[in-house]
Amino acid sequence: GAGVSQSPRYKVAKRGQDVALRCDPISGHVSLFWYQQALGQGPEFLTYFQNEAQLDKSGLPSDRFFAERPEGSVSTLKIQRTQQEDSAVYLCASSFQASYTGELFFGEGSRLTVL
Amino acid sequence: AQKITQTQPGMFVQEKEAVTLDCTYDTSDPSYGLFWYKQPSSGEMIFLIYQGSYDQQNATEGRYSLNFQKARKSANLVISASQLGDSAMYFCAMRERGSNYKLTFGKGTLLTVNP
Repeated sequence: GAGVSQSPRYKVAKRGQDVALRCDPISGHVSLFWYQQALGQGPEFLTYFQNEAQLDKSGLPSDRFFAERPEGSVSTLKIQRTQQEDSAVYLCASSFQASYTGELFFGEGSRLTVL
Repeated sequence: AQKITQTQPGMFVQEKEAVTLDCTYDTSDPSYGLFWYKQPSSGEMIFLIYQGSYDQQNATEGRYSLNFQKARKSANLVISASQLGDSAMYFCAMRERGSNYKLTFGKGTLLTVNP
C-alpha cells in the first residue's frame, strides 16, 4: 500500500478483554515501531522490529503487552486482560532502513478505549 | 532525564507572521537525527523536517526551517508566514544510532494560528 495501515481505527473493550491491533507497514520497510500516545502527550515508544526480529521491547509497560511480526511485514500488538490505563492511541510506524537518518512513516493509529 | 524538552506547552501566532517552537535535546551519542512532526486534531503524524548531527547547514523545507545549534543542543523549528492550517500539535523528536534507532518524542507544543 501507499502508506502505513492500521486496524481497527477504533476499539472499545471491556476491562479484562484481550485486544489485537494490526499494522501493515509500507512494503519493503525494514524497521517497524509501536508507540502509545495518551491524550495530550507525545508518543511513547513500546517496541521495535527489524524485519521479523524484535530487537527492543523495553517500552512495553507490562507482560500483558505482546507484539509480533512473524514474516517481517505485518505486525500485531496484543494486549491481554485490558485495564483502563491502557486507553490510548496506538501508533505504528515504519522506516525503510535501520538508520538514525530516515524519517518514520506513521499510520493513523488505533484508538483503544477500555471501559 | 528527558531526552527531548519542549518548554512551550502552547503558542499563539497571527496569520502571516513567523513563529519559533523551541526544542532542546540531550544525548551523548555523536550520531543522531532530529525531526519535527506535526499532528493536527485528526491525529495523523506528519513529518516536517530533518537535521542530522553531522549536517553543517540548517535544514529547510518550504516554510519550515530548523535552527540547529549543536553546542547548545537545541533544534528550534521556525515556521514562516503562518497559515490557519498550521494550527496543530508539534513534536520534536530524536533518533540515536545507539538506541535501536527509535524515535524519542518531546511532550509537544500546541500552536494556534489566529486570523
